[in-house]
Amino acid sequence: GDSVTQMEGPVTLSEEAFLTINCTYTATGYPSLFWYVQYPGEGLQLLLKATKADDKGSNKGFEATYRKETTSFHLEKGSVQVSDSAVYFCALTTTSGTYKYIFGTGTRLKVLA
Amino acid sequence: GAGVSQSPSNKVTEKGKDVELRCDPISGHTALYWYRQRLGQGLEFLIYFQGNSAPDKSGLPSDRFSAERTGESVSTLTIQRTQQEDSAVYLCASSLGSGGGYEQFFGPGTRLTVL
Repeated sequence: GDSVTQMEGPVTLSEEAFLTINCTYTATGYPSLFWYVQYPGEGLQLLLKATKADDKGSNKGFEATYRKETTSFHLEKGSVQVSDSAVYFCALTTTSGTYKYIFGTGTRLKVLA
Repeated sequence: GAGVSQSPSNKVTEKGKDVELRCDPISGHTALYWYRQRLGQGLEFLIYFQGNSAPDKSGLPSDRFSAERTGESVSTLTIQRTQQEDSAVYLCASSLGSGGGYEQFFGPGTRLTVL
């Protein structure tokens, strides 16, 4: 079945460091791909998305490119801030049946000042 | 309201009791999802409603779990004869449609603790 695999956390970085959180997926067809973020004490919110191969989603300095050849959607940011500390979830929508969302297990990011 | 709301925000119950969790989606959103998030884990899909179509119940972990939705509005998730392993945050999300990259909007969740 369809699935999403994320790198294990926690990831601890110093402020202004480069961030990569790996995400790979297994799916039939052409799923849409998402990154959601959960800040401490808050609900899940969409960070960025890409709906077809080679699309790049971007928001708040974060980017991710839909790579069909490597079935990946890695999240990157050039210079992280303390305020980026959160849990990041990679997700896809299935392309058949009822289009349910499948989420990865989440990666906790901690940015130190 | 402006967003998805859920009630109660916290629920503590004794093992064996039934609980009912409520979700009010964003007005006009035809798709509604329930997820479970156990401590330190990702989101586990439970059930999905889309308009008047039959719901996708494939994620419900046992027959103790059931959910209903009235038209395209309120949904309730019921857990009968709760067990300690049911302790988790239950999240509801809604979206304008399904497929094609529609964004899901999440509620704040209901934290369920089964003693």
